[in-house]
Amino acid sequence: GESVGLHLPTLSVQEGDNSIINCAYSNSASDYFIWYKQESGKGPQFIIDIRSNMDKRQGQRVTVLLNKTVKHLSLQIAATQPGDSAVYFCAERTSGYSTLTFGKGTMLLVSP
Amino acid sequence: DGGITQSPKYLFRKEGQNVTLSCEQNLNHDAMYWYRQDPGQGLRLIYYSQIVNDFQKGDIAEGYSVSREKKESFPLTVTSAQKNPTAFYLCASTFGQGADEQFFGPGTRLTVL
Repeated sequence: GESVGLHLPTLSVQEGDNSIINCAYSNSASDYFIWYKQESGKGPQFIIDIRSNMDKRQGQRVTVLLNKTVKHLSLQIAATQPGDSAVYFCAERTSGYSTLTFGKGTMLLVSP
Repeated sequence: DGGITQSPKYLFRKEGQNVTLSCEQNLNHDAMYWYRQDPGQGLRLIYYSQIVNDFQKGDIAEGYSVSREKKESFPLTVTSAQKNPTAFYLCASTFGQGADEQFFGPGTRLTVL
């Protein structure tokens, strides 16, 4: 299948560890952010989103933190599992626009 | 993959030929999007459509064309004018027109020989 992970930043963790994937965004006018997971050869899967009026949002085993002061977004995955191995993308939407801008992604490798 | 289908999964074409990639959704979503993905790169927007019979160029529209004759369908044609068409093509859709929660199809890998 298609490899999307060439030359991407890589985070390697052990099974059971907590993982933190970071994303810096560029536009202070961005009001909506999404994290996606993409496995090799497949389309991205929605993980969690957050709006700019929030600092934190939690899902099942995942938490997204938004720091608007430094334009930084992070995805925390608790008790990381081998099935979490994939490329993770953040995306942002500028207020008033109807399109997303995607980051290049981070590859997460989870060892048993 | 939700209710978005893309076909075929793999496509091979000779240089100079136009090729059309299919994208269908049964989610009753209003907006649909086409992205291109190259190894080690983020997704780049080719075209998008928020309503039937209307579409807008994205960041890399040159060499591509689209149509939106039906709400559930948004085919992408890669023309011979596209200088480097070999890539992974992803279609997405969203309810409403604000780009919230875009859902993606499984993708089509196009290889031009």
